[in-house]
Amino acid sequence: DTAVSQTPKYLVTQMGNDKSIKCEQNLGHDTMYWYKQDSKKFLKIMFSYNNKELIINETVPNRFSPKSPDKAHLNLHINSLELGDSAVYFCASSPPTSDEQYFGPGTRLTVT
Amino acid sequence: EDQVTQSPEALRLQEGESSSLNCSYTVSGLRGLFWYRQDPGKGPEFLFTLYSAGEEKEKERLKATLTKKESFLHITAPKPEDSATYLCALFSQGGSEKLVFGKGMKLTVNP
Repeated sequence: DTAVSQTPKYLVTQMGNDKSIKCEQNLGHDTMYWYKQDSKKFLKIMFSYNNKELIINETVPNRFSPKSPDKAHLNLHINSLELGDSAVYFCASSPPTSDEQYFGPGTRLTVT
Repeated sequence: EDQVTQSPEALRLQEGESSSLNCSYTVSGLRGLFWYRQDPGKGPEFLFTLYSAGEEKEKERLKATLTKKESFLHITAPKPEDSATYLCALFSQGGSEKLVFGKGMKLTVNP
């Protein structure tokens, strides 16, 4: 199936731990994104990469570090997790000829 | 600052009862206005892009329209499977390359 995929689907961890979320797209898109959706369902962009180059870096704590090993992958590493990091994180991608973004299924992160 | 406001926050309809969802926006220059559908536990699914005032797009029971200040998502004779959260988002011209989302509108269609 052609899609945007994320792993894991659920992630439960304790405060202070470091965790990573992986994202892969096989749509041949050049641009990939990370979004955070909070408990009120508000979706907000965190980062975007175009062909492995960082394009957008919103006011996100530097505990969050995206890494793009190639244009089909964009991973999110989070250091020293805090309670407020609990949310659903979505990866998305878009083709070079369009602003339409295609989202993955999300990773629900719970920090206890 | 670019802003998107959706109303109402939640809407309950009976099957077959047509209605419209509103998305008002403020932006210095609009590059595109987007509608997405999000089902519980899933990622947003792209529905429409509108680029200029007066433009309309349709897909099954959904029709999206755009003015210079608002976009409407009209739902004609909805079915229970249309129940979802509908998100409106915009891309601004000349600004940072990012989608700005509204808070969404949860639609429930009762059989």
